[in-house]
Amino acid sequence: DAMVIQNPRYQVTQFGKPVTLSCSQTLNHNVMYWYQQKSSQAPKLLFHYYDKDFNNEADTPDNFQSRRPNTSFCFLDIRSPGLGDTAMYLCATSRDLGPNNEQFFGPGTRLTVL
Amino acid sequence: GENVEQHPSTLSVQEGDSAVIKCTYSDSASNYFPWYKQELGKRPQLIIDIRSNVGEKKDQRIAVTLNKTAKHFSLHITETQPEDSAVYFCAASNTGGFKTIFGAGTRLFVKA
Repeated sequence: DAMVIQNPRYQVTQFGKPVTLSCSQTLNHNVMYWYQQKSSQAPKLLFHYYDKDFNNEADTPDNFQSRRPNTSFCFLDIRSPGLGDTAMYLCATSRDLGPNNEQFFGPGTRLTVL
Repeated sequence: GENVEQHPSTLSVQEGDSAVIKCTYSDSASNYFPWYKQELGKRPQLIIDIRSNVGEKKDQRIAVTLNKTAKHFSLHITETQPEDSAVYFCAASNTGGFKTIFGAGTRLFVKA
């Protein structure tokens, strides 16, 4: 059974046109993460939620926002996508914070900005 | 800032041979080191992890070693098979555990 689900799997948007990516989980995990993975690069953490507490990485552009309306869902909003935002966006969850908590990744949304 | 370096970026081995991927980390507070395997077009999946109170961990054909003094950790795959072909990412987690820094990845090709 799918544990971390992302929709859509593929998204094409125009330069400057807002886009929202969706992530849902059936694991009831406290923590949800958003990563950006560009071609042939490592996943880069954008931000995470611990329950309702939002934690933004210092180098995450203001263009990227996130919402977590409930435990199961988390959204990534890109307000004005640029060409450089073309990437795979991975959602992940973990039961808790700390070194004993494995991160479970979703299948990703491949975003193309034209 | 925190950094994880991974080598090599590409590794090609013959089926049955061993493969070794090496990583170094900069944050001395790191105490959790997972390894992820990402097959083409698929999600990263945890294959093995090691905590700082352990020097080595083994799971069938996969082993990981950690040298905290040198801030090195390595993934060893023995008796490689074509299905081992994938991108492997090492990672290090800081004391708080919420930020996982990934290495740049190693693309492993196992030739039949």
